[in-house]
Amino acid sequence: DSGVTQTPKHLITATGQRVTLRCSPRSGDLSVYWYQQSLDQGLQFLIQYYNGEERAKGNILERFSAQQFPDLHSELNLSSLELGDSALYFCASSPLQREMNYGYTFGSGTRLTVV
Amino acid sequence: EDKVVQSPLSLVVHEGDTVTLNCSYEVTNFRSLLWYKQEKKAPTFLFMLTSSGIEKKSGRLSSILDKKELSSILNITATQTGDSAIYLCAVANDYKLSFGAGTTVTVRA
Repeated sequence: DSGVTQTPKHLITATGQRVTLRCSPRSGDLSVYWYQQSLDQGLQFLIQYYNGEERAKGNILERFSAQQFPDLHSELNLSSLELGDSALYFCASSPLQREMNYGYTFGSGTRLTVV
Repeated sequence: EDKVVQSPLSLVVHEGDTVTLNCSYEVTNFRSLLWYKQEKKAPTFLFMLTSSGIEKKSGRLSSILDKKELSSILNITATQTGDSAIYLCAVANDYKLSFGAGTTVTVRA
């Protein structure tokens, strides 16, 4: 157990629907990162939050949004889902906003299947 | 745009063989390069390499960064079936890790 908790582990939903993925970071970690991993692509950085504030954005679609709450858990909202959104969504956490030298601790991911 | 390219995309070896995985990168504000192993789900951290060029070793795994060539290699000696996994290379800049597509290693008994 890495200490980063993601729920649900699996999600199957229909096109056009909206889902929410949840992440609880490792105790003491202030930064949360969301990544998408599709079959044909590597891990794609979506967005970073630090202590409740958005700090960096990657290749995140406008249909996707995220937030980090005062208790530091984070939610990734995916709306108007398309078949191509089917992927593994990872959350990772780290203690600091920067200091990427030490990488992240990853959660076990949420597998989203859009049918 | 930051780029991280891994090669080969996949390989199959037999137990006891040695494998060498490659990673090249073009990243602004480079801080470090990291290797991860991904088996079923979450990537797990293997090594972090910096511009110091110091080789890192852990058991049968070793890795080194070539700062001049903007590349890194990961070596696995005396491979075992448990080494079968996707090996991910990631490069850190100020605020994120950029990942390569990974190399899938299959070790046959």
